Amino acid sequence: DTGVSQDPRHKITKRGQNVTFRCDPISEHNRLYWYRQTLGQGPEFLTYFQNEAQLEKSRLLSDRFSAERPKGSFSTLEIQRTEQGDSAMYLCASSDLITGSGNTIYFGEGSWLTVV
Amino acid sequence: DAKTTQPPSMDCAEGRAANLPCNHSTISGNEYVYWYRQIHSQGPQYIIHGLKNNETNEMASLIITEDRKSSTLILPHATLRDTAVYYCIVIGDYKLSFGAGTTVTVRA
Repeated sequence: DTGVSQDPRHKITKRGQNVTFRCDPISEHNRLYWYRQTLGQGPEFLTYFQNEAQLEKSRLLSDRFSAERPKGSFSTLEIQRTEQGDSAMYLCASSDLITGSGNTIYFGEGSWLTVV
Repeated sequence: DAKTTQPPSMDCAEGRAANLPCNHSTISGNEYVYWYRQIHSQGPQYIIHGLKNNETNEMASLIITEDRKSSTLILPHATLRDTAVYYCIVIGDYKLSFGAGTTVTVRA
């Protein structure tokens, strides 16, 4: 257990429905990341927060995806009008801002989404 | 961030050392080498990282060549639970970019 919690761990939804995933990072970690991973592939970067500010969004993050991190603590990732291609594992990760010693990023166990 | 090259797969005998190579010939001076692994259906697990010097922790050792263009992750006594995909990643600031990794299979 890395201390990064994700909820729900598994979600099955019908095409066209909205889903929301929640991530609770390690306490006091000011950086938070979302990744997506499909079967047989490595994780792909989606977006990154430093405190409450969303500093980078990947081109993978279409208009149907939105992520928030109010108050710089937990984060949510919402997918609107889900499509079958959204089926994947959504990974949350967090890290502390420490200069001069690298930036170790710790991942949660992921939230599996199946769109039927 | 610099790209890395890893062999797609390797086998290792249980109880023996596993040496996982990684090439990162375009690494720049302020970029760290990180290793993660991912056991099936779980989130990536941090193993170790280094900048210039060799590093060791309770999980593994990291050997970085003097020119920093390649590195080797050493699992000293591989067990069946070490079967996983191992990712070598070079990172300069804040973002990890995963490649295909090396699928390591530890055999009894």
